[in-house]
Amino acid sequence: KQEVTQIPAALSVPEGENLVLNCSFTDSAIYNLQWFRQDPGKGLTSLLLIQSSQREQTSGRLNASLDKSSGRSTLYIAASQPGDSATYLCAVRGDSWGKLQFGAGTQVVVTP
Amino acid sequence: KAGVTQTPRYLIKTRGQQVTLSCSPISGHRSVSWYQQTPGQGLQFLFEYFSETQRNKGNFPGRFSGRQFSNSRSEMNVSTLELGDSALYLCASSLVGQSGNTIYFGEGSWLTVV
Repeated sequence: KQEVTQIPAALSVPEGENLVLNCSFTDSAIYNLQWFRQDPGKGLTSLLLIQSSQREQTSGRLNASLDKSSGRSTLYIAASQPGDSATYLCAVRGDSWGKLQFGAGTQVVVTP
Repeated sequence: KAGVTQTPRYLIKTRGQQVTLSCSPISGHRSVSWYQQTPGQGLQFLFEYFSETQRNKGNFPGRFSGRQFSNSRSEMNVSTLELGDSALYLCASSLVGQSGNTIYFGEGSWLTVV
């Protein structure tokens, strides 16, 4: 049974610092991994999707890496801004269908 | 193009009642999934529908049910509501069978059971 873990559960950084968010999963047989952002009281916004055959994916200040063999993914956010304050969730998919297995998320606060 | 739309956004129900939530996927997306989010359990998969057929089901009691219509719109129903059903219910849609098929979520329906 796939288990997804995100550590730490929360972190606070000053504006301008780089953010490093970790995600680990127990079963390396994944189809892809997706990072989401959730603002309080809102739905999930997709940030990046990494296919199982990819090592990393980039979008603007965001970069996500994937090491399937070790069951880990890392989301890097460069030069953090107060607007980056949110909960970040990673989720893995076992096949091309829509069932995602989520981690508990990392709550990020970026202080001005 | 319009995103995933969920209605209603907020609702309050009494224990024992039933509730129906609606989801309109992104145009062209035929897979619709439902998730329950609570502070204690996080995000949990309820079920997935594709072409009006339930494709996958999570570990929830039979009080939770859903369906999908020919236009890919989906509804989920919870009968005999319990206090523990209070949660944010999220709908997601995606293409199926294509590489890079990102899953997109709606804003959710907040259900409070009193």
